[in-house]
Amino acid sequence: QKEVEQNSGPLSVPEGAIASLNCTYSDRGSQSFFWYRQYSGKSPELIMFIYSNGDKEDGRFTAQLNKASQYVSLLIRDSQPSDSATYLCAVNINFGNEKLTFGTGTRLTIIP
Amino acid sequence: GAVVSQHPSRVICKSGTSVKIECRSLDFQATTMFWYRQFPKQSLMLMATSNEGSKATYEQGVEKDKFLINHASLTLSTLTVTSAHPEDSSFYICSARVQGRTSTDTQYFGPGTRLTVL
Repeated sequence: QKEVEQNSGPLSVPEGAIASLNCTYSDRGSQSFFWYRQYSGKSPELIMFIYSNGDKEDGRFTAQLNKASQYVSLLIRDSQPSDSATYLCAVNINFGNEKLTFGTGTRLTIIP
Repeated sequence: GAVVSQHPSRVICKSGTSVKIECRSLDFQATTMFWYRQFPKQSLMLMATSNEGSKATYEQGVEKDKFLINHASLTLSTLTVTSAHPEDSSFYICSARVQGRTSTDTQYFGPGTRLTVL
């Protein structure tokens, strides 16, 4: 079982709709969870992080964390064509270890 | 967010040569930097953790004698790919750790270096 799993997609969402991206992780002791956006040919860009159960909102983005079910999701409201990218979920698995383990990413396409 | 730069952004070299990539934190000090490699259509794979003033910690399967890492200052880490071969062609990305004062540490990525070995 992979440590961090994401549906590779592609996920197609109409412009203006809500895009929902999901990520599951295997280590129940995981501490911090990150969402990065990566445009083709570019490096990842941090969108937001979450470490407490529940929702965290930042503009059009909402991260949701459920440690009991071991999943973290990212919602993008009012999707724009510029949101088309690969979204990487990253997890800090070991407490006190700064390393991040990345999922393979979900490719999101916003359809105008 | 914190700004991390990388140089060069793109390099093409002949097989057998060595290539040095620099990673700089521009507006903060980074005691820890990370080096990743990403092949086409694959996710990031951590190569090594670079700590200022000490030896880097390499991930399993990464040859430390081939990928030399130096982190001599709080704002600069370098990765040298020695005797590069075509299979080393990849997108190399560094990140720098920002310690959170009130929340978790985060990593910010440099723009990456695309290495092509002929």
